[in-house]
Amino acid sequence: GAVVSQHPSRVICKSGTSVKIECRSLDFQATTMFWYRQFPKKSLMLMATSNEGSKATYEQGVEKDKFLINHASLTLSTLTVTSAHPEDSSFYICSARSTINREGGRQHFGDGTRLSIL
Amino acid sequence: DQQVKQNSPSLSVQEGRISILNCDYTNSMFDYFLWYKKYPAEGPTFLISISSIKDKNEDGRFTVFLNKSAKHLSLHIVPSQPGDSAVYFCAASGSTGANNLFFGTGTRLTVIP
Repeated sequence: GAVVSQHPSRVICKSGTSVKIECRSLDFQATTMFWYRQFPKKSLMLMATSNEGSKATYEQGVEKDKFLINHASLTLSTLTVTSAHPEDSSFYICSARSTINREGGRQHFGDGTRLSIL
Repeated sequence: DQQVKQNSPSLSVQEGRISILNCDYTNSMFDYFLWYKKYPAEGPTFLISISSIKDKNEDGRFTVFLNKSAKHLSLHIVPSQPGDSAVYFCAASGSTGANNLFFGTGTRLTVIP
């Protein structure tokens, strides 16, 4: 089946550090990638949608200058949390979709990144 | 505002019995629904989906039922197996926009051997 690799799986760093998370589709080309954030005991909340070669579309309330998304190729999207602070500590998950047709191209998820800012 | 709700945070079922996980939604524009299964430290994996033109979709031990008038869907697992123990997320998407998925808060299923 489709595989999405997300790296790193866990990051612990000091406040003020910028952190980059990578999301790769290993065996298919992802025209669209999604970035989610999950707070404890809460649902996955969509942060932004990125299409290869174009700017990401951010959900309301998500700071685009804080969470930089780059989808430079059909197999790689990156999320950079700039100048991270403790309130940015969370579980971040990416997903990738192979086609525009949502039924033919379901979202395949990475294993997530646990970000802890001290 | 939580548009997809799973009101039961946990469910315990005996092995071999039926597991029923419930999900409610508020947005009448949703027309495609999915269930994902998530193990600890892993991302969600797709389980089964249903379009709003149907009221039932079956795949092996898993069946999803959709009641559009009640804005309610349920996932039935029968017979339940210990390996089914995981967190199950209900998700929905609409026919407009970028087909974003809206997730419920999840239900932790424990199947007792």
